[in-house]
Amino acid sequence: KAGVTQTPRYLIKTRGQQVTLSCSPISGHRSVSWYQQTPGQGLQFLFEYFSETQRNKGNFPGRFSGRQFSNSRSEMNVSTLELGDSALYLCASRESGELFFGEGSRLTVL
Amino acid sequence: GENVEQHPSTLSVQEGDSAVIKCTYSDSASNYFPWYKQELGKGPQLIIDIRSNVGEKKDQRIAVTLNKTAKHFSLHITETQPEDSAVYFCAAYSGTYKYIFGTGTRLKVLA
Repeated sequence: KAGVTQTPRYLIKTRGQQVTLSCSPISGHRSVSWYQQTPGQGLQFLFEYFSETQRNKGNFPGRFSGRQFSNSRSEMNVSTLELGDSALYLCASRESGELFFGEGSRLTVL
Repeated sequence: GENVEQHPSTLSVQEGDSAVIKCTYSDSASNYFPWYKQELGKGPQLIIDIRSNVGEKKDQRIAVTLNKTAKHFSLHITETQPEDSAVYFCAAYSGTYKYIFGTGTRLKVLA
């Protein structure tokens, strides 16, 4: 089976812009979650989706949003980017309690 | 709120020595404790996990122990090798679809 695929792998944006990141889970996995990874902060939970429904959301401002499609692919969007949004955004699909992570999308905000 | 503290943040050991990483969680409802290894440029990968009804689990050179009373769990790596060098994350899960991760430990195994 192919692993979790995230696109794009790297991107550079300027403050005030918006960004959309994409995640394709492992085939057959219906749960997709997103995490923000920054140095010293570890992985911070953003949200989790299952069958197109958001089941939980982390403590992030409303500028961070996500959605899941009927084929389980997921996107997250960050609007009005701030310098502090620079991070590695990780997507994970889940089965039997185990998270399978993609390689992440590294966002740099200038 | 929910929190997982992880120590140390960096750890250097000589090849062949043991390494221990410790985590403490706050949510008493946590019942699943995975450990992830993240190599440079890659996403975290599960290396071992333990559920709340078990006190210890071992898989070759790695082992995890859990003390539910103290809300502590630890990762033990024996006979360390250069390929064990990576960042390790502990996590706690309480059934709410989100995992609470520690801040990571950068392990360096010196040849």
